[in-house]
Amino acid sequence: GENVEQHPSTLSVQEGDSAVIKCTYSDSASNYFPWYKQELGKGPQLIIDIRSNVGEKKDQRIAVTLNKTAKHFSLHITETQPEDSAVYFCAASRGGNNRLAFGKGNQVVVIP
Amino acid sequence: SAVISQKPSRDICQRGTSLTIQCQVDSQVTMMFWYRQQPGQSLTLIATANQGSEATYESGFVIDKFPISRPNLTFSTLTVSNMSPEDSSIYLCSVGLDSTDTQYFGPGTRLTVL
Repeated sequence: GENVEQHPSTLSVQEGDSAVIKCTYSDSASNYFPWYKQELGKGPQLIIDIRSNVGEKKDQRIAVTLNKTAKHFSLHITETQPEDSAVYFCAASRGGNNRLAFGKGNQVVVIP
Repeated sequence: SAVISQKPSRDICQRGTSLTIQCQVDSQVTMMFWYRQQPGQSLTLIATANQGSEATYESGFVIDKFPISRPNLTFSTLTVSNMSPEDSSIYLCSVGLDSTDTQYFGPGTRLTVL
């Protein structure tokens, strides 16, 4: 089955700096890669996703890049703010609402 | 997107008892899933709740321990049976919309078993 690994496990950044989280996946048939943000006491919230037919997607301060050859994808958060502090999970699937395989999560701490 | 609610939001239960968690969606959806998130851990898929038929369980999860109902396209329940402290987790339902691969999650049910 799909194995998704996520690095680093914890990331601290100064407010205003950029944060980058990288995930690798094992299943070359995976074609859908979402990112979720989970704040304390809440369910995961989808923040951005990318499909294998594109290499990059951006939504305001958040972007995701995908390298299919190397089987890795990354989340980029620019101009970080304290409200960006949360746990971020990457996931991968074969699409078609197939099961999502999640990474272990990254704790991002934005220091004011 | 979809608006998903779960009941209860949290509970503290005694060992050996059972708890039924409800998941309600504001629109009809084809796919509904149940996940477990142990403290400080990632999300693990328990099963896919199928409307009108038995749920499809992932390896390591069995129907006797986690019976699931899906009576219609907007509602599902997950029961955690004969609970032990190891069942203390957040239980999350998610839904998949027909036209996309996207899954949306409910707020979760925080279960503590004493």
